[in-house]
Amino acid sequence: AQSVAQPEDQVNVAEGNPLTVKCTYSVSGNPYLFWYVQYPNRGLQFLLKYITGDNLVKGSYGFEAEFNKSQTSFHLKKPSALVSDSALYFCAVRDMSSSNTGKLIFGQGTTLQVKP
Amino acid sequence: SAVISQKPSRDICQRGTSLTIQCQVDSQVTMMFWYRQQPGQSLTLIATANQGSEATYESGFVIDKFPISRPNLTFSTLTVSNMSPEDSSIYLCSVEGTGETSYEQYFGPGTRLTVT
Repeated sequence: AQSVAQPEDQVNVAEGNPLTVKCTYSVSGNPYLFWYVQYPNRGLQFLLKYITGDNLVKGSYGFEAEFNKSQTSFHLKKPSALVSDSALYFCAVRDMSSSNTGKLIFGQGTTLQVKP
Repeated sequence: SAVISQKPSRDICQRGTSLTIQCQVDSQVTMMFWYRQQPGQSLTLIATANQGSEATYESGFVIDKFPISRPNLTFSTLTVSNMSPEDSSIYLCSVEGTGETSYEQYFGPGTRLTVT
């Protein structure tokens, strides 16, 4: 079965410091990986995706993520955190089994708290 | 990316009643999905809304409880039937991009349902 794990319920960083939000996955075949962000009382916003190609993918708002096949990880990173980055972050993998076209499997979410 | 709206944005309903949630997209899309986000939890796919045919439901979700309509490529409805307090959740529709945005899903703002 395909799955995604976000081992940290919450990550706290100081503004200006680098941030990392961790994600590991378990899939059969090549993974299609995504990060989404959910601000309070708002819907999910797409940040970035990895389908193929360079292991380092860049996305919205200065975020990037590194695909590591050997460690089955797809950690979200940003060189310098902003207070406005405080939100709930979800890692997701696309279910590529034939009977589940388009289905995203989400991790449990990680709350990022950036303090001034 | 597509602009997605949902109605209502929130509702408080009595147990035993039904609520129909609407999802409107500003462009024609092939793939449209309905997700549920229970309080403090991650997102779970309810079903894929298929235009011109019956929706495809995920394990644990049935048509009698969550009937879905998809009359055209820009609109879908999800009904939550015979509600109980356990149905209190945020319900989100999403659509999948094409071309450069292939595999990316874009979410509506959600409908926050409270069942009393």
